[in-house]
Amino acid sequence: DQQVKQNSPSLSVQEGRISILNCDYTNSMFDYFLWYKKYPAEGPTFLISISSIKDKNEDGRFTVFLNKSAKHLSLHIVPSQPGDSAVYFCAAASGGSYIPTFGRGTSLIVHP
Amino acid sequence: NAGVTQTPKFQVLKTGQSMTLQCAQDMNHNSMYWYRQDPGMGLRLIYYSASEGTTDKGEVPNGYNVSRLNKREFSLRLESAAPSQTSVYFCASSPKYEQYFGPGTRLTVT
Repeated sequence: DQQVKQNSPSLSVQEGRISILNCDYTNSMFDYFLWYKKYPAEGPTFLISISSIKDKNEDGRFTVFLNKSAKHLSLHIVPSQPGDSAVYFCAAASGGSYIPTFGRGTSLIVHP
Repeated sequence: NAGVTQTPKFQVLKTGQSMTLQCAQDMNHNSMYWYRQDPGMGLRLIYYSASEGTTDKGEVPNGYNVSRLNKREFSLRLESAAPSQTSVYFCASSPKYEQYFGPGTRLTVT
């Protein structure tokens, strides 16, 4: 039973357009959410996070939105660049435990 | 700063062989983790260590053992490898929520 779901295995976007990656969770105890980016043959790298006390967090071209009532978060990349092509993992953790539960990932391809 | 290092990068084992995957971090993090990544399955936690001297099972611990040798090092041992353990293994460390990952070990068990 997946507690963190990324329902789109892949996403294709044109360079310069917006990429929107989605993530749903079922555990209402989750209160901290993270996005990781992974290139082939490398380990994941932390991208951006958000606490449940916020509904938006922005870092340059990357913005994460959290909708607690819908148990949904999304990562927006604007504008998308070919170097953003990677697998993106959503992760969630509950208060007091720093151990995240990961989604299965979404493969983003940004076409030049 | 090397961050998180893992050895070896690649390994091929025969069924029943044993091996130890090594992981070290130089960021003075208390927590360390071992994950496996399989196609379409995301990252699944095998074992973790919240601090030096403690280890706990994650989601998929069967067939593995771990040792937190000191604050820097966290090793993963396969006592009797099985084809189902063919995977990419990632070690990570964290100060709190954000995890820092190593480059991975690609293990094939034939």
